[in-house]
Amino acid sequence: EIVLTQSPGTVSLSPGERATLSCRASQSVNSLYLAWYQQKPGQAPRLLIYAASTRATGIPDRFSGSGSGTDFTLTISRLEPEDFAVYYCQESGSSPSFGPGTKVDIK
Amino acid sequence: QVQLVQSGAEVKKPGSSVKVSCKTSGGSFSTYPLSWVRQAPGQGLEYMGGIIPIFATTNYAHKFQGRLTITADESTSTIYMELSSLTSEDTAIYYCARVLVQGMVTTGPWGYWGRGTLVTVSS
Repeated sequence: EIVLTQSPGTVSLSPGERATLSCRASQSVNSLYLAWYQQKPGQAPRLLIYAASTRATGIPDRFSGSGSGTDFTLTISRLEPEDFAVYYCQESGSSPSFGPGTKVDIK
Repeated sequence: QVQLVQSGAEVKKPGSSVKVSCKTSGGSFSTYPLSWVRQAPGQGLEYMGGIIPIFATTNYAHKFQGRLTITADESTSTIYMELSSLTSEDTAIYYCARVLVQGMVTTGPWGYWGRGTLVTVSS
């Protein structure tokens, strides 16, 4: 099983700022199998990005994904109030795994 | 519009089993893999397993093999997750989720999610 590590664990930012979230894998990941989810308290996860850089339907273009191999990044270009949440990366290979999450909270 | 509606919260005794349902609507039921993902209180997400309804093919995470059973009823567009030999560590919210694209992969990514079912294991 591939182990995913996310950093930072928590980041405090203000609305309008840029958020850069990192996901590092213990071994190389096929970019087609790397996804990002957003989860707000009391809600189910929401798919943001799949195949490392493809936005899911209805996801604003302030969300972007990049990376390859073992290093992937989710960038939120300008934080909106509704973007404060926990973000998980996920690898969907034969033994799928999630990262531990990055919490983006309001500064 | 795709919707996944899960059964209600459960309270179970250690050593017992729980069966949670997930009824889908909108889109094709048979050709989209469906999975179960759980989340312990205050913790992250954990893949449990999935099913491809048209073939009744299942895939279970190694951790749950032997005590997890996922089934599908095409007549009602519903999948079920049964977990046996429950312990307090199985206390969690259990989500069903539909894979984004049709095919043979149950391991994600998941484009549609149910609202979750809280299972509490307590004596």
